[in-house]
Amino acid sequence: LAKTTQPISMDSYEGQEVNITCSHNNIATNDYITWYQQFPSQGPRFIIQGYKTKVTNEVASLFIPADRKSSTLSLPRVSLSDTAVYYCLVGDRGGGFKTIFGAGTRLFVKA
Amino acid sequence: EPEVTQTPSHQVTQMGQEVILRCVPISNHLYFYWYRQILGQKVEFLVSFYNNEISEKSEIFDDQFSVERPDGSNFTLKIRSTKLEDSAMYFCASVIQGAAGELFFGEGSRLTVL
Repeated sequence: LAKTTQPISMDSYEGQEVNITCSHNNIATNDYITWYQQFPSQGPRFIIQGYKTKVTNEVASLFIPADRKSSTLSLPRVSLSDTAVYYCLVGDRGGGFKTIFGAGTRLFVKA
Repeated sequence: EPEVTQTPSHQVTQMGQEVILRCVPISNHLYFYWYRQILGQKVEFLVSFYNNEISEKSEIFDDQFSVERPDGSNFTLKIRSTKLEDSAMYFCASVIQGAAGELFFGEGSRLTVL
């Protein structure tokens, strides 16, 4: 399983764009990159998943460079309610069964 | 929107007692998971389950733990003899396809062992 490295914490202000970068140097050819969000006392919630280049949905964008050794989750115009822990996961979409969460990045959005 | 449901939301038990945590995964999902999260710590993988058998388990998932899908809808986690250190939030998750697909998590069951 590819190991991921993320910043432990980040601070931002309401209305700003937040970019959280994750390193996954030993990502395998079949691995996808998935981001989850977790609020206190709740289960993680899927945000976005990608394999390469750029993926965008109504919540976030995911940028993946050509070498796929890192990825950046971009949250446009954050609000106080985006304060949460964000996890970057790397794994085989089809064949593997174990999905491992790292320590995540604790994002704190201030007014 | 379909969701994973877990019961109980909170259970308090005495050390040494057996506990069963229940989960109803999303109906067309094929892979099921249990995770736990000790307060203030990261989400830890316990076990994955597919085709009525354990696919993978972590070192945390020792002989005190067992999982079962007794009736095709429920997915249970049993802790035979609880310890103080088992106090945590336990999350059930399910996914249509394998790991790295979109995991759907339940709201969790908080277990407090006294």
